[in-house]
Amino acid sequence: QQPVQSPQAVILREGEDAVINCSSSKALYSVHWYRQKHGEAPVFLMILLKGGEQKGHDKISASFNEKKQQSSLYLTASQLSYSGTYFCGTRGAGSYQLTFGKGTKLSVIP
Amino acid sequence: GAGVSQSPSNKVTEKGKDVELRCDPISGHTALYWYRQRLGQGLEFLIYFQGNSAPDKSGLPSDRFSAERTGESVSTLTIQRTQQEDSAVYLCASSRRQLQDEQYFGPGTRLTVT
Repeated sequence: QQPVQSPQAVILREGEDAVINCSSSKALYSVHWYRQKHGEAPVFLMILLKGGEQKGHDKISASFNEKKQQSSLYLTASQLSYSGTYFCGTRGAGSYQLTFGKGTKLSVIP
Repeated sequence: GAGVSQSPSNKVTEKGKDVELRCDPISGHTALYWYRQRLGQGLEFLIYFQGNSAPDKSGLPSDRFSAERTGESVSTLTIQRTQQEDSAVYLCASSRRQLQDEQYFGPGTRLTVT
């Protein structure tokens, strides 16, 4: 099943913080976060694995609650370059598929 | 080094024609993925290759869709008898080895079926 992302869209002023949530109805092995700017390919942000391992960029932080099958992406002190659509992708144990949510559109304004 | 490349970048075809979309992954990446992205929507998984084999084809929407990979490199996604609902951006991604490695996406092929 497709994970549910919230909010669907958010507008921030530079320097403000935001949290993007991703929730699944199935048991998860990993959660992957990507950002896509308009007309461009998605770019990797972070992977969170069951058991606590994380791979990603130093300036991005995220959490993964395995029991609740939820993940949150934390964007602090936002910059104009943070604008784009953020997608979470989830993978269940034993599955090859990465199932993406519909995305959260983030707009950062001066 | 070079990233993932896809060709053509744009393809307009008539309903009922066959199309081939090509993906060149990053050299040395053994895992390759195809996704479909409809306008304003998320990424829809189509197929995953590990080396030249495809352990998971369950995302292919119908038997009109097929994909192959040769030499643990280039992959081709073929859509036969295209329909208007096939119009979308088709994205290819590759990763080093494992399913839990980060995926590097290509620029996509925008397919329009008229």
